[in-house]
Amino acid sequence: SQQGEEDPQALSIQEGENATMNCSYKTSINNLQWYRQNSGRGLVHLILIRSNEREKHSGRLRVTLDTSKKSSSLLITASRAADTASYFCATTGASGSARQLTFGSGTQLTVLP
Amino acid sequence: EAQVTQNPRYLITVTGKKLTVTCSQNMNHEYMSWYRQDPGLGLRQIYYSMNVEVTDKGDVPEGYKVSRKEKRNFPLILESPSPNQTSLYFCASREGYSGNTIYFGEGSWLTVV
Repeated sequence: SQQGEEDPQALSIQEGENATMNCSYKTSINNLQWYRQNSGRGLVHLILIRSNEREKHSGRLRVTLDTSKKSSSLLITASRAADTASYFCATTGASGSARQLTFGSGTQLTVLP
Repeated sequence: EAQVTQNPRYLITVTGKKLTVTCSQNMNHEYMSWYRQDPGLGLRQIYYSMNVEVTDKGDVPEGYKVSRKEKRNFPLILESPSPNQTSLYFCASREGYSGNTIYFGEGSWLTVV
């Protein structure tokens, strides 16, 4: 069953603008990760935020986590055409089970030059 | 270089003809997993393995088999492929249990006609 649900499903912005994607999940988590996938390629890990953290930064990426709302957001600042990709959130369940890495269906981001 | 290698990358096969998709990782990771990716459904876990000779079903295991005889290899076996198994398949590995980055292979495009 899908745990994470990304919103919006598709987002189109101009180069230089910020892009914000949201992820909601249903059950308690140990951590939440964001991945990027270029068309037809493997997923690349972007950032991991643990359940006891509220915000993390990595370069132009900023991730927030609100466990009370069971939601996370990924902000990409000063977007570039090369940021065009699909972005997925993935959660690991709080029980710590190795199997419980569950992906959402992704947000397709298009950055127009 | 840390790698998860899948083969074949592209395959067209006929219904009922057994096939194996190989997966190998060079990071000495305990945990390996197979996912399939279908439009609008995100990534769904097929099988996972927490170590040699330890495998378990994911969310969509029907029609698939796996084995983990060596730590580095985790082949996915389709004994009698059917058209509904046409999909993009990803192998992934991770050190230990939850909380660590998952590394993905580049994907295997499988078409069953």
